[in-house]
Amino acid sequence: GAVVSQHPSRVICKSGTSVKIECRSLDFQATTMFWYRQFPKQSLMLMATSNEGSKATYEQGVEKDKFLINHASLTLSTLTVTSAHPEDSSFYICSARRTSTYEQYFGPGTRLTVT
Amino acid sequence: DQQVKQNSPSLSVQEGRISILNCDYTNSMFDYFLWYKKYPAEGPTFLISISSIKDKNEDGRFTVFLNKSAKHLSLHIVPSQPGDSAVYFCAANYGGATNKLIFGTGTLLAVQP
Repeated sequence: GAVVSQHPSRVICKSGTSVKIECRSLDFQATTMFWYRQFPKQSLMLMATSNEGSKATYEQGVEKDKFLINHASLTLSTLTVTSAHPEDSSFYICSARRTSTYEQYFGPGTRLTVT
Repeated sequence: DQQVKQNSPSLSVQEGRISILNCDYTNSMFDYFLWYKKYPAEGPTFLISISSIKDKNEDGRFTVFLNKSAKHLSLHIVPSQPGDSAVYFCAANYGGATNKLIFGTGTLLAVQP
């Protein structure tokens, strides 16, 4: 159990366009999902915490108007990168946490390239 | 300010031997610790965890040790297998209302056949 899917796995878009990434917990309900970003050879940087039915909590330095997060159900959270720029190119990973546990289960990640 | 540190960026071990990966932290508010394994261009895979009220947790070939006074934890893999070759991240749960994970910088483990 504890499978998390992410879609798409890879996306290329032009500067100025918006991209939506979906994160789904397939076999459990997740009241909390998280969005991370990983730069090459670096650690995972938490961008925001997404709680079902409420507004996301963004980490310091993350623009909430640029990275829109929606957690409309217990199994789905979406991250929309708006008006993408080349510096937004990165590996984005989501995770989901089972209710009342500490363990986070990660999706396979999405490679975003902005040209 | 790196609150969770893995000071060894890489480690090479012979197959069958023990791999020991280390992690240090600075924040005494961390209440739970986890180890993840990650391959390139994939999401991390959960391995094993430990509560701050314990000093050891074992699961098959994996054992995690926690020394709270030293703010240090380690992951032991024995015997090491070539398939264990990956980047290993330790993570600490920051408790309270946020309950978010803070990740270390990772250690690349290479298990030589």
